[in-house]
Amino acid sequence: GAVVSQHPSWVICKSGTSVKIECRSLDFQATTMFWYRQFPKQSLMLMATSNEGSKATYEQGVEKDKFLINHASLTLSTLTVTSAHPEDSSFYICSARDAAGPGTRYEQFFGPGTRLTVL
Amino acid sequence: GEDVEQSLFLSVREGDSSVINCTYTDSSSTYLYWYKQEPGAGLQLLTYIFSNMDMKQDQRLTVLLNKKDKHLSLRIADTQTGDSAIYFCAESPGNSGNTPLVFGKGTRLSVIA
Repeated sequence: GAVVSQHPSWVICKSGTSVKIECRSLDFQATTMFWYRQFPKQSLMLMATSNEGSKATYEQGVEKDKFLINHASLTLSTLTVTSAHPEDSSFYICSARDAAGPGTRYEQFFGPGTRLTVL
Repeated sequence: GEDVEQSLFLSVREGDSSVINCTYTDSSSTYLYWYKQEPGAGLQLLTYIFSNMDMKQDQRLTVLLNKKDKHLSLRIADTQTGDSAIYFCAESPGNSGNTPLVFGKGTRLSVIA
């Protein structure tokens, strides 16, 4: 089955530092990846859509300069939280879609998530 | 715009059946999905149903789709404590590879032993 990994699984950092989270599709190519944020006991909030080789599309209210997304290859997208602050503490989840052609169900395969804690 | 609605909580006794309901808005959704999220983990695809089907059964899971009413349900037979999790319903507007699935807020299922 399609597997998506995330690294790191958890990270603790000091306020003001930057943190990079990697999302990889391990056994398929993903032209599109999605980044979500989830607060405790709340639903997923879509942050941005990451397209390989082009700029990410950010959802309304998400600061593109704070949450930098780079989708440099068909199997890797990164999210960098710049100048992190305690309010950025959250569970970040990525998902990827198989780049297969017509007839694909376009289901999203999710990574295990990264818990970020900013002190 | 697209919207998916679910009840937020459900509590059942071990061994009983659980039924989680969902309504969606986009009639062009070709597939509808149920995902499961255990504490501290990502989302795991449980099952899906094609929009021209009324029902799909997969072991203890039964998905019912009423396309006219845009209503989707997930029934878990013989619910176990390991089924305790958050269940998300999702639709695929236009079934496009570039458009994200639209998720409901999730139903937290608690199974009482």
